[in-house]
Amino acid sequence: GAVVSQHPSRVICKSGTSVKIECRSLDFQATTMFWYRQFPKKSLMLMATSNEGSKATYEQGVEKDKFLINHASLTLSTLTVTSAHPEDSSFYICSAPTPSGFYNEQFFGPGTRLTVL
Amino acid sequence: AQSVSQHNHHVILSEAASLELGCNYSYGGTVNLFWYVQYPGQHLQLLLKYFSGDPLVKGIKGFEAEFIKSKFSFNLRKPSVQWSDTAEYFCAVKGGNTPLVFGKGTRLSVIA
Repeated sequence: GAVVSQHPSRVICKSGTSVKIECRSLDFQATTMFWYRQFPKKSLMLMATSNEGSKATYEQGVEKDKFLINHASLTLSTLTVTSAHPEDSSFYICSAPTPSGFYNEQFFGPGTRLTVL
Repeated sequence: AQSVSQHNHHVILSEAASLELGCNYSYGGTVNLFWYVQYPGQHLQLLLKYFSGDPLVKGIKGFEAEFIKSKFSFNLRKPSVQWSDTAEYFCAVKGGNTPLVFGKGTRLSVIA
């Protein structure tokens, strides 16, 4: 089946630095990708919808300037956590709709664990 | 806004025991329903899905789920669990043009 990868799988950074997380669709094109955040013992919360060639759509309460999303190609979306702080520590997961274009199914990446010291 | 409720936070079962994980949702229109599984250290995988038709849906690895519209429920079941079923299970709902909404997840621990 279709595969979505994320890089890095883990990152530890100092407070105040920026971190970039990549999400790639490996064997299919994805004009749309989704970014989620998962807190310990809590569900996945949709942060934003990444659209190739246009601005991302952010969910209510998600800071656009804090979480920069760039979807520069049909196989790559990036999430940059700017000026990271300890409260940004979390598990970030991306997903892409199935290649058939049927938006109701998504393939998920393995996630990136961010730890901000 | 739609929401998903998973009642069990952590379920512990012995091997060969039967499993039922509850999932209720709130949304007034037509919904698509999903169960995802996340094995330790792995990414989310689709177990099964319901879009329309037979409300009893069979998925991979012997799992099934029943959509009961009147109860707004989509419970996950397996007649006999195995140790390898130890994982986190997420119910998710998508209604209309709304984003996919996840429940908080249920951790299943299967002991020998």
